[in-house]
Amino acid sequence: GESVGLHLPTLSVQEGDNSIINCAYSNSASDYFIWYKQESGKGPQFIIDIRSNMDKRQGQRVTVLLNKTVKHLSLQIAATQPGDSAVYFCAENIKGGYNKLIFGAGTRLAVHP
Amino acid sequence: NAGVTQTPKFQVLKTGQSMTLQCAQDMNHNSMYWYRQDPGMGLRLIYYSASEGTTDKGEVPNGYNVSRLNKREFSLRLESAAPSQTSVYFCASSGSGEKGANGGYTFGSGTRLTVV
Repeated sequence: GESVGLHLPTLSVQEGDNSIINCAYSNSASDYFIWYKQESGKGPQFIIDIRSNMDKRQGQRVTVLLNKTVKHLSLQIAATQPGDSAVYFCAENIKGGYNKLIFGAGTRLAVHP
Repeated sequence: NAGVTQTPKFQVLKTGQSMTLQCAQDMNHNSMYWYRQDPGMGLRLIYYSASEGTTDKGEVPNGYNVSRLNKREFSLRLESAAPSQTSVYFCASSGSGEKGANGGYTFGSGTRLTVV
């Protein structure tokens, strides 16, 4: 399954499928990006990050891709599990003398058994 | 290691009342942040403090004031609460230099504020 930025806020997938969550960031000066997972009633939980000098970074079951040309990030989750159900946010670190972390609106991932 | 601690966890205010949300971090981080999160939305930056003694406006500062009391503590004050300020408020902190294992930003567990 695949989501497209802010216009499709909910992504529903079957357990075991791969999920792709997309994010368009806003600032060309952003030098660092983070994907967060947020479960109901909790604060954001770090998943994976990537610096602007990289195109791809892999973690455990997750991969982040960065396309600076079109200012686009994606988060790929392999073999999606029910425990992956949450809202996912991308965040960009805007560098300009001091750091500010700006969040996108988020995508809700619903994993069905 | 407590990380970022926010108090209170829940609060109900009447319109026009004032209150201060407290945040403290024990990681010796230089920068601290206040975000609000409305239902179904991402976190929006209210104010931040790049270092002790400095504060700056974020995306949605209106109706709020902040104080960086010392390196550990960063408080958010609502002088005259309005229903539009009903939200979940998150405090965060970050250090300088390498980002570390969690991207360098640590979030508190949030304060759920309702203004009636």
